[in-house]
Amino acid sequence: AQSVTQPDIHITVSEGASLELRCNYSYGATPYLFWYVQSPGQGLQLLLKYFSGDTLVQGIKGFEAEFKRSQSSFNLRKPSVHWSDAAEYFCAVAPDISGGYNKLIFGAGTRLAVHP
Amino acid sequence: DAGVTQSPTHLIKTRGQQVTLRCSPKSGHDTVSWYQQALGQGPQFIFQYYEEEERQRGNFPDRFSGHQFPNYSSELNVNALLLGDSALYLCASSPVGGADEKLFFGSGTQLSVL
Repeated sequence: AQSVTQPDIHITVSEGASLELRCNYSYGATPYLFWYVQSPGQGLQLLLKYFSGDTLVQGIKGFEAEFKRSQSSFNLRKPSVHWSDAAEYFCAVAPDISGGYNKLIFGAGTRLAVHP
Repeated sequence: DAGVTQSPTHLIKTRGQQVTLRCSPKSGHDTVSWYQQALGQGPQFIFQYYEEEERQRGNFPDRFSGHQFPNYSSELNVNALLLGDSALYLCASSPVGGADEKLFFGSGTQLSVL
């Protein structure tokens, strides 16, 4: 069965430090891949997505992610973290391309804390 | 332009009761999906509605049902509530023809079952 694994439940970084959040997926073909962010009391906001083409994708708020087929990974990165980046981050995959991108499988999330 | 709106924001029910949650999609969107997010977990897909019909369904029992109206708004109904149904219920909408290829999520309805 398709699955998404986010190995890090909780990460703490200092403001200005670099960030990498890990995501591994289990799927036979190349899926649609997404990263979402959720702040307290708010819905999920899309940071970036990968469907095909260039394996390094740029998103909003200075985030980027790299798709590595050989490692079944889609890690999220940011060169310099801001205090406002503290939130929960979810990696997701749309496993059934024929069904579009509405049915997503989400990882359990990584909670990011930022120290001043 | 309002985004995806959900009501109510919070809801408290007791076991065995029935509940209805409501969602208005973002303007110009015709497809609505519902997700359940238990505490400390990622969202889980419940079902998707398009043209007033259920198009895809996740691994949820028949106690979970939905409806989409001609104006594209949607309802999620849960019957015979269990304690385990306590969760944040998220509604997401997507545009006509999937041109934007992404979901827009509402802020959710927090359901507590006592």
